[in-house]
Amino acid sequence: KAGVTQTPRYLIKTRGQQVTLSCSPISGHRSVSWYQQTPGQGLQFLFEYFSETQRNKGNFPGRFSGRQFSNSRSEMNVSTLELGDSALYLCASSLAGQGIYEQYFGPGTRLTVT
Amino acid sequence: EDKVVQSPLSLVVHEGDTVTLNCSYEVTNFRSLLWYKQEKKAPTFLFMLTSSGIEKKSGRLSSILDKKELFSILNITATQTGDSAIYLCAVVTTNTGNQFYFGTGTSLTVIP
Repeated sequence: KAGVTQTPRYLIKTRGQQVTLSCSPISGHRSVSWYQQTPGQGLQFLFEYFSETQRNKGNFPGRFSGRQFSNSRSEMNVSTLELGDSALYLCASSLAGQGIYEQYFGPGTRLTVT
Repeated sequence: EDKVVQSPLSLVVHEGDTVTLNCSYEVTNFRSLLWYKQEKKAPTFLFMLTSSGIEKKSGRLSSILDKKELFSILNITATQTGDSAIYLCAVVTTNTGNQFYFGTGTSLTVIP
């Protein structure tokens, strides 16, 4: 079974631009969560999507948004990029539902904002 | 505010040593606690703990949860250089779905 895939793997943008990151979950997984990882803050939860609906949201500004498609693939968008948005963005998929399932992480997208 | 705290922040040991990593938490609507290992790539799942006092074991790694004192430990015995990684603890809470709160991790370096 293929793992979680994320594209692109690396991205360089300038301040003020916007960016869209993509995540394809493991086949059969319906939940996709997004995280931002930085050396100072560690892994921080951005949001979770399940069945095309945002189910949970972390404490990030409205510049960070996402969506999920009917095939469970998810995209994350960051508008008006700031230098502090430079980070590794990880997505993770799980079977979810109402049970407790471990998450499987993708390789991440390394975003650098200059 | 929900939070997860890991200690120590970093650790350097020699091969063959035993290490204990700590994870304490303060969250509402606790569901489970997970441990991950992160090398130079995405985190990989190690254990999921839901009930107090039941040890989970996989080879040289083991973990246990104390829901009364709100902490978990991860033990690694007979450490090897391949154990060098960042170990992340995550607590799952739930309102309408599962939300994961991660600690900042413990960086373990095992030297030959």
